[in-house]
Amino acid sequence: GNSVTQMEGPVTLSEEAFLTINCTYTATGYPSLFWYVQYPGEGLQLLLKATKADDKGSNKGFEATYRKETTSFHLEKGSVQVSDSAVYFCALAPGSGGSNYKLTFGKGTLLTVNP
Amino acid sequence: KAGVTQTPRYLIKTRGQQVTLSCSPISGHRSVSWYQQTPGQGLQFLFEYFSETQRNKGNFPGRFSGRQFSNSRSEMNVSTLELGDSALYLCASSLYGPNTGELFFGEGSRLTVL
Repeated sequence: GNSVTQMEGPVTLSEEAFLTINCTYTATGYPSLFWYVQYPGEGLQLLLKATKADDKGSNKGFEATYRKETTSFHLEKGSVQVSDSAVYFCALAPGSGGSNYKLTFGKGTLLTVNP
Repeated sequence: KAGVTQTPRYLIKTRGQQVTLSCSPISGHRSVSWYQQTPGQGLQFLFEYFSETQRNKGNFPGRFSGRQFSNSRSEMNVSTLELGDSALYLCASSLYGPNTGELFFGEGSRLTVL
């Protein structure tokens, strides 16, 4: 079945530091890939997505590139802010040809950014 | 446009009781998914409904059940509660389902079982 493995946290950075959170996946077919973010006390919200190989998703200074050859979708940001402190989830959807109708999530990575 | 609404937000039950959680999706969304979130297991898929039909179910015991109504609102029920059922239960809606599209999550219902 489909699975997502992401970097274990927690990750603690200083403001303006560079962020990478690694994510690799196992899937059949042509999955879509997502990064979701969960701020304290809230539900998850979509941060960015990519639906095919070599696509780059970007939002709020975050980027991730869908690499089929390495089955990866690493999240990066050049300069983090205190407001980026949250839990980040990598997720996989089976794509339009899939029939299992669910997003598969990684375990989440807690990011804390200190001023 | 109103977001996904989950009720109740917080509840405390004792072992052996049962609980019903409710989810109102974004207007026009026909797919509703449920997830259980715990610190140890992360986000675990419970089930997905589309137009009142359950299309997928996760690996949870039969004590966990759900349904969707004709207005797309969904409920999930947990019977004979166990301590390990303490978790944040998240509902998410989408237009056609989670396969290619974005899921819109509610803030969750936090269940504590004593």
